[in-house]
Amino acid sequence: DGGITQSPKYLFRKEGQNVTLSCEQNLNHDAMYWYRQDPGQGLRLIYYSQIVNDFQKGDIAEGYSVSREKKESFPLTVTSAQKNPTAFYLCASSSRTGGADTQYFGPGTRLTVL
Amino acid sequence: GQQVMQIPQYQHVQEGEDFTTYCNSSTTLSNIQWYKQRPGGHPVFLIQLVKSGEVKKQKRLTFQFGEAKKNSSLHITATQTTDVGTYFCAGHFTGNQFYFGTGTSLTVIP
Repeated sequence: DGGITQSPKYLFRKEGQNVTLSCEQNLNHDAMYWYRQDPGQGLRLIYYSQIVNDFQKGDIAEGYSVSREKKESFPLTVTSAQKNPTAFYLCASSSRTGGADTQYFGPGTRLTVL
Repeated sequence: GQQVMQIPQYQHVQEGEDFTTYCNSSTTLSNIQWYKQRPGGHPVFLIQLVKSGEVKKQKRLTFQFGEAKKNSSLHITATQTTDVGTYFCAGHFTGNQFYFGTGTSLTVIP
């Protein structure tokens, strides 16, 4: 909330197409995260980045890719290799303060693959 | 492995009743955070607990961190319809590892 934008809010794609979800923050946060949320389930970490030009795989990175060329931006690409891409995708950022990072979430993108 | 278990998954209460959700870890946490996600919305940070046995209150919400720093609870007194949503805990371990619980979805029946 506040300072993190995700676009678009709803996205429809045909099966087999790659799609890139946008995430931008103006909070001057070093760390950024991508989560996937399925109905009735919690947040599962896809990728995270603690600094520009560096990122790490989360628990469910297969079929996804990211880049972190700028501090403010952390786009997520859902590739055709992702077997079940329809989900709610949340981006978050945090300021690295002693390892106890409060995460600020964007409004999310709901991706539907037809 | 390091995981954070959260129960219950769903809870329906009459308006005015109390509500509690619990998070448990098999290993010691460095801290735990709580978030609330309204229906159709995104998670919003509520609070962070760091000290063993810590108790914090926010109006009708009471957050506790266990003495062993392996469990935590969120208790809502006299629920209101505005409390509807999913409550998540996020357990932080040493080495900057963290895991979100699966969440508890709260429905308040007017």
